[in-house]
Amino acid sequence: QSVLTQPPSVSGAPGQRVTISCAGNSSNIGAGYDVNWYQHLPGTAPKLLIYGNDNRPSGVSDRFSGSKSGTSASLAISGLQAEDESDYYCQSHDKSLRGWVFGGGTKLTVL
Amino acid sequence: EVQLVESGGGLVQPGGSLRLSCVTSGFSFIGYAMSWVRQAPGKGLQWVSSVSGSGGTTWYADSAKGRFTISRDNAKNTLYLQINSLGAEDTAVYYCAKGNRGYNWSYFDSWGQGTLVTVSS
Repeated sequence: QSVLTQPPSVSGAPGQRVTISCAGNSSNIGAGYDVNWYQHLPGTAPKLLIYGNDNRPSGVSDRFSGSKSGTSASLAISGLQAEDESDYYCQSHDKSLRGWVFGGGTKLTVL
Repeated sequence: EVQLVESGGGLVQPGGSLRLSCVTSGFSFIGYAMSWVRQAPGKGLQWVSSVSGSGGTTWYADSAKGRFTISRDNAKNTLYLQINSLGAEDTAVYYCAKGNRGYNWSYFDSWGQGTLVTVSS
């Protein structure tokens, strides 16, 4: 059971927009810690997608955007492309656990 | 270009030990915290342990306390993870990850390809 809760899967057709939610609590996201997002294809190196809630690293498409409100956060992917099919993880810090925590991951399927 | 290359994984019997290594290049190693994150088969990413840039502070997930030891050699730009008393629950791909700062860091901005640890008799 992950500390941060994500939907196991989402799907969308090419060109559509999808969102992936990440629910935390008052010890992590609600405590003011930043939320970060990663894209991961099993067997490969995870890739930082969004940092500091809503910032994109250089080289990441502007089709990816992040937001945070209260004890939750969201990743939005617009203009879906086949190459976006991957696993996505949110991550934050937890003051009660005194460590870094991930969501359980969401598998995105492009129909 | 930042590069992180893990090694040291393999098949180990229950109760055995293993030391993972992560050789880095392309950045000032001492300036950044480093971490280990693992992914068990069919599961999600799980933070395991972190060490500050200086090596003076370490953090462990509850599942790693007592059996795992993280360390770094700043002269060799290398990160290590010693794992003792291995159990089936430790079977996973172990990733080396770079923090965005040397201390009080927030996210992992670069990752290695991972090394597979399989615990089985």
